[in-house]
Amino acid sequence: EAQVTQNPRYLITVTGKKLTVTCSQNMNHEYMSWYRQDPGLGLRQIYYSMNVEVTDKGDVPEGYKVSRKEKRNFPLILESPSPNQTSLYFCASSLKAWQPQHFGDGTRLSIL
Amino acid sequence: AQKITQTQPGMFVQEKEAVTLDCTYDTSDPSYGLFWYKQPSSGEMIFLIYQGSYDQQNATEGRYSLNFQKARKSANLVISASQLGDSAMYFCAMLGAGSYQLTFGKGTKLSVIP
Repeated sequence: EAQVTQNPRYLITVTGKKLTVTCSQNMNHEYMSWYRQDPGLGLRQIYYSMNVEVTDKGDVPEGYKVSRKEKRNFPLILESPSPNQTSLYFCASSLKAWQPQHFGDGTRLSIL
Repeated sequence: AQKITQTQPGMFVQEKEAVTLDCTYDTSDPSYGLFWYKQPSSGEMIFLIYQGSYDQQNATEGRYSLNFQKARKSANLVISASQLGDSAMYFCAMLGAGSYQLTFGKGTKLSVIP
């Protein structure tokens, strides 16, 4: 089944404790992206990747890191999480940037 | 910088009626793409329809159609014959050729009344 898989689905953690949210797709897609969704703000793009080893900042990259060492994986790293990063996070992928994106089920992060 | 504006935070529509969800955009890119996504209360994001800036005809996918008015920079979503299952958040999004960033609007919450 074609899918984008995010883990974990839910996480409660504390300020400053490094965490990684994994994202994997099995569709051989070139374009991958991370978004955060906050009430009243819609979805905002954090980082995106056009292909392996190619990443670029979205609208809200501060406090986040990403890497794209393999085509299928695009982890989101919070080196020192803070409460303002409490949010619902989505990973998405598409064959090319111009094509509709397939979204993962989301990861709800709470940082205390 | 590109921007998407959805001016209707919430809307109600009677079942079986048609409804139009507004979306206006701003970009300096001559080439861009416009997307609509649906997010039911369960949380998943579902792609509905796509319109390219150079497409001559308005996009249509089943009960969804896109009223694309390039000069007005609007890309309104029209849902015909609304169903109860259409109750959800709807997001308009734009991808510009210059940056390949996908920018979303803040969304419109549609409620279908039986």
